[in-house]
Amino acid sequence: EIVLTQSPGTLSLSPGERATLSCRASQSVSSIYLAWYQQKPGQAPRLLIFGASSRATGIPDRFSGSGSGTDFTLTISRLEPDDFAVYYCQQYGSSYSFGQGTKLEVK
Amino acid sequence: QVQLQESGPGLLRPSQTLSLTCTVSGGSISSDGYYWSWLRQHPGKGLEWIGYIYPSGSPYYNTSLKSRLTISVDTSKNQFSLKLNSVTAADTAMYYCARAHDYGGDFDYWGQGTLVTVSS
Repeated sequence: EIVLTQSPGTLSLSPGERATLSCRASQSVSSIYLAWYQQKPGQAPRLLIFGASSRATGIPDRFSGSGSGTDFTLTISRLEPDDFAVYYCQQYGSSYSFGQGTKLEVK
Repeated sequence: QVQLQESGPGLLRPSQTLSLTCTVSGGSISSDGYYWSWLRQHPGKGLEWIGYIYPSGSPYYNTSLKSRLTISVDTSKNQFSLKLNSVTAADTAMYYCARAHDYGGDFDYWGQGTLVTVSS
């Protein structure tokens, strides 16, 4: 089973700042199978990025994904108030797994 | 716009069988390129994949739940279902149904979720 470890656990930033979220896999993951989600309290997760770097429909271009192999990054270029939420990475290799999440909170 | 809606009982006793149904609207469950999944989220915790099924009917399960799990599809009703036997308090969670791309495995449409509580 591929384990995904996200860091940091909590990220405290202010609106307008840049956020960099990390997702590290215990073994190599094909970029095709790496996705990022945003989840707000009381809501289902929302797909942000698929294929490591492709934005899902309707996702603003301030969200970007990068990385390959075992190290992947979600970057939010200029935080808006609506961006403060929990973010999960997910892989689909031999089976599915999710990271434990990064909580992005207002500083 | 594809929409998914979970339905089923919210409270179960230990050892009972959890049965949930996901109704898909705005698109056909038989469409090529997708499969239909169940996931759950324990209170205050992260996401766990439960399993998925292709429209053809072939299911794939999380190995940790496989012995208790059945996922099925009814294309005539545009629905797919989950049955989890012998539930315990550890199965208390928010249960989501979702659509996944069969190419990359990402979940692009989700139901709103249904909270299932297992308690005596």
